[in-house]
Amino acid sequence: TQLLEQSPQFLSIQEGENLTVYCNSSSVFSSLQWYRQEPGEGPVLLVTVVTGGEVKKLKRLTFQFGDARKDSSLHITAAQPGDTGLYLCAGKSNTGNQFYFGTGTSLTVIP
Amino acid sequence: GAGVSQSPRYKVAKRGQDVALRCDPISGHVSLFWYQQALGQGPEFLTYFQNEAQLDKSGLPSDRFFAERPEGSVSTLKIQRTQQEDSAVYLCASRGFRQGTGGDYEQYFGPGTRLTVT
Repeated sequence: TQLLEQSPQFLSIQEGENLTVYCNSSSVFSSLQWYRQEPGEGPVLLVTVVTGGEVKKLKRLTFQFGDARKDSSLHITAAQPGDTGLYLCAGKSNTGNQFYFGTGTSLTVIP
Repeated sequence: GAGVSQSPRYKVAKRGQDVALRCDPISGHVSLFWYQQALGQGPEFLTYFQNEAQLDKSGLPSDRFFAERPEGSVSTLKIQRTQQEDSAVYLCASRGFRQGTGGDYEQYFGPGTRLTVT
């Protein structure tokens, strides 16, 4: 059972297009992280957001944490083939050290 | 400067066999996590260690799963009497502070062990 639902589950777009991935939960998290995972490798951390309403930018990637700290979004501008991968959000439990991962969004950027 | 390593990378086991999966965390990292990841899905938490103490094992799916970290560094996840539903990638992560990503403690993941039970 995963507490965080991501949408869409699969996304295939052309190079240069923009996209948004959503991460939703009914639970409140003390912080939320976004990871990217490539086949045969472990997830790699992209960013951590901590404050409700926080927006962080990492080059072409924009991350937003919802005001209530229950949801988040990842927006990619002008997607490139190198952005292809499985994007995962992960919320940190308020009561412990556990991270709950989302269901994942598989992104394919076609050259 | 080595990252988290896991061995073996691939394991095929016959149903009913016992398996042991090894994780070598980043030196000095106190926290260590084990996750189970089904194909195309997000990792699911199994268990958490702080040094040699197993502080949370709430995610272990059954009593066939056992994890240890006797000296607070290397950890082993053991699965007894494997079943087909145990087939998955098992990820290990150790945690330490990383600046530049928001100030939180980052989990560094190993490449995983892909277990196939036939």
